[in-house]
Amino acid sequence: EIVMTQSPATLSVSPGERATLSCRASQSVSSNLAWYQQKPGQAPRLLIYAASTRATGIPARFSGSGSGTEFTLTISSLQSEDFAVYYCQQYKNWPPITFGQGTRLEIK
Amino acid sequence: QVQLVESGGGVVQPGRSLRLSCEASGFTFSNYGMHWVRQAPGKGLEWVALIWHDGGSKYYADSVKGRFTISRDNSKNMLYLQMNSLRAEDTAVYHCARDISSSWYDCWGQGTLVTVSS
Repeated sequence: EIVMTQSPATLSVSPGERATLSCRASQSVSSNLAWYQQKPGQAPRLLIYAASTRATGIPARFSGSGSGTEFTLTISSLQSEDFAVYYCQQYKNWPPITFGQGTRLEIK
Repeated sequence: QVQLVESGGGVVQPGRSLRLSCEASGFTFSNYGMHWVRQAPGKGLEWVALIWHDGGSKYYADSVKGRFTISRDNSKNMLYLQMNSLRAEDTAVYHCARDISSSWYDCWGQGTLVTVSS
């Protein structure tokens, strides 16, 4: 099983600033990685797939990078609606499909 | 529009059974693999099960293998999760999700809450 580890667990950032979230895989997943955003009481929303491709309708301030075992989600200029929990997910080797434990992005 | 709506959750005693349903609309259901993903209260996402577009293959997380069964009825655009021998640790919101070629999920339902408690 591939273990996904996200850091930090909680990130405090001011609106308008840049946020950088990390995701590490216990073994290489190539570019088979997705990022999701989840707000309280809502379903997760796909942001990024194939490590760096934005999903339909996702603003350009969201970007993904990395390959192998190290990945980054960057939000270039935080808007109020961006404060949420973010999860990474690998789909290289399954079953099982595995998620990181999440990073909570909160307002500083 | 693409929509997934779960139902069937509730409070159930340990050891009992429950069947969850997920109704799909707005897309050709039979073209897509479908998953169940759960989220315990205040916790992260945990993949539960996958069924191929034609129902030909099914996969399960070790934590539910032998107790849960995923199935689908493409004529009714419905996905199911039969959950037997429920345990307290199965308490979670259960989401159905549509996958793209057994990879990422581009559509999720809001979820249905299952609480296992005596």
